[in-house]
Amino acid sequence: DAGVIQSPRHEVTEMGQEVTLRCKPISGHNSLFWYRQTMMRGLELLIYFNNNVPIDDSGMPEDRFSAKMPNASFSTLKIQPSEPRDSAVYFCASSSDRVHTDTQYFGPGTRLTVL
Amino acid sequence: AQSVTQPDIHITVSEGASLELRCNYSYGATPYLFWYVQSPGQGLQLLLKYFSGDTLVQGIKGFEAEFKRSQSSFNLRKPSVHWSDAAEYFCAVGGGDSSYKLIFGSGTRLLVRP
Repeated sequence: DAGVIQSPRHEVTEMGQEVTLRCKPISGHNSLFWYRQTMMRGLELLIYFNNNVPIDDSGMPEDRFSAKMPNASFSTLKIQPSEPRDSAVYFCASSSDRVHTDTQYFGPGTRLTVL
Repeated sequence: AQSVTQPDIHITVSEGASLELRCNYSYGATPYLFWYVQSPGQGLQLLLKYFSGDTLVQGIKGFEAEFKRSQSSFNLRKPSVHWSDAAEYFCAVGGGDSSYKLIFGSGTRLLVRP
């Protein structure tokens, strides 16, 4: 079975550019999570979707960040404009909604470097 | 507020030795507890989870963890460590009203001496 798929795996961009990260959750999962991992702050939940609807975006750092889930098999996290402090590893995770806090399956992550 | 503490930033053990990674949590009700492992450059893989029932939980790769409510702990153990176990280990707590939200500890990096 395919796990959570993220692309690209690595992204290097210059400050001010737009960055789009992509995620395909596990088929049949209806909860999707975006996390950010940094040395200073560890793993932080950015946004949570349930049945394609954003439920909790309280972790989104600021208006430069936006996330969408147009259908059950695809989600994007966009940063516009990007800044060097956005450099981090961004993880997407998915889970089934039978019990809210079910096992979250993580993708391999996208390592973002903003110069 | 929910929180997770992993008091050891780094732990070094010899291959074949036993391992215990500590995790303490703060939570108002019965928590859901998880251990994840992250190998370099990889995502997080679930080792085991506790929701209810037997307080000793078996996971993958020979790991186990014990939920001790009186100590607010959920320590991870393995009787004999292999070199391939070198990785970073994260404890997480979830449950409650915002039951989708996992709070992660800061992680413990395990180094294995040959």
